[in-house]
Amino acid sequence: GQQLNQSPQSMFIQEGEDVSMNCTSSSIFNTWLWYKQDPGEGPVLLIALYKAGELTSNGRLTAQFGITRKDSFLNISASIPSDVGIYFCAGALFQGAQKLVFGQGTRLTINP
Amino acid sequence: SAVISQKPSRDICQRGTSLTIQCQVDSQVTMMFWYRQQPGQSLTLIATANQGSEATYESGFVIDKFPISRPNLTFSTLTVSNMSPEDSSIYLCSVLLAGVGGNEQFFGPGTRLTVL
Repeated sequence: GQQLNQSPQSMFIQEGEDVSMNCTSSSIFNTWLWYKQDPGEGPVLLIALYKAGELTSNGRLTAQFGITRKDSFLNISASIPSDVGIYFCAGALFQGAQKLVFGQGTRLTINP
Repeated sequence: SAVISQKPSRDICQRGTSLTIQCQVDSQVTMMFWYRQQPGQSLTLIATANQGSEATYESGFVIDKFPISRPNLTFSTLTVSNMSPEDSSIYLCSVLLAGVGGNEQFFGPGTRLTVL
């Protein structure tokens, strides 16, 4: 099925560094959602974006809804060990079918 | 948000058998979804399950293989039928809720299925 292009696929960083990941799509979305998944758990919603150009923060996390409505990025500042996990972007029209399309995920590893 | 539970949390099954996964939500929701996440992969939507109507399946998924029930607004089941090792995955239910700015989708903890 359709997927978003999420990059990078993996990141290996030092504790305290900032992190940036992004998603792009050939389709326009009305909603972008960012999730984090820990091993053995379901994805947890981090940030939801609803308007083109919207910039939203959740603690050390900041995400933006691209102006073209075809992309979004997530930044994590001053990374800490508990940030380790897999981050997924998801786009949705939330009209009609109300379906989410997921990116391939970014696996974040932090060296203490 | 919503509190979503799934049963079982994990299971190991023999090929040819069937497993029914339950999803319980702590509030009434109209739209529920079932996803599959194969090892090391992203999430793929299996079907949308709305109370009072037949489930809507995505391309590549059929009702005979993945029958779904949605008897009320807080509960749904997904059955993985006639299982093969290729069905080994994490199966996740999710619900759609109205957030402050728009709709949000929340996930259950998943059911990890291994088929031998």
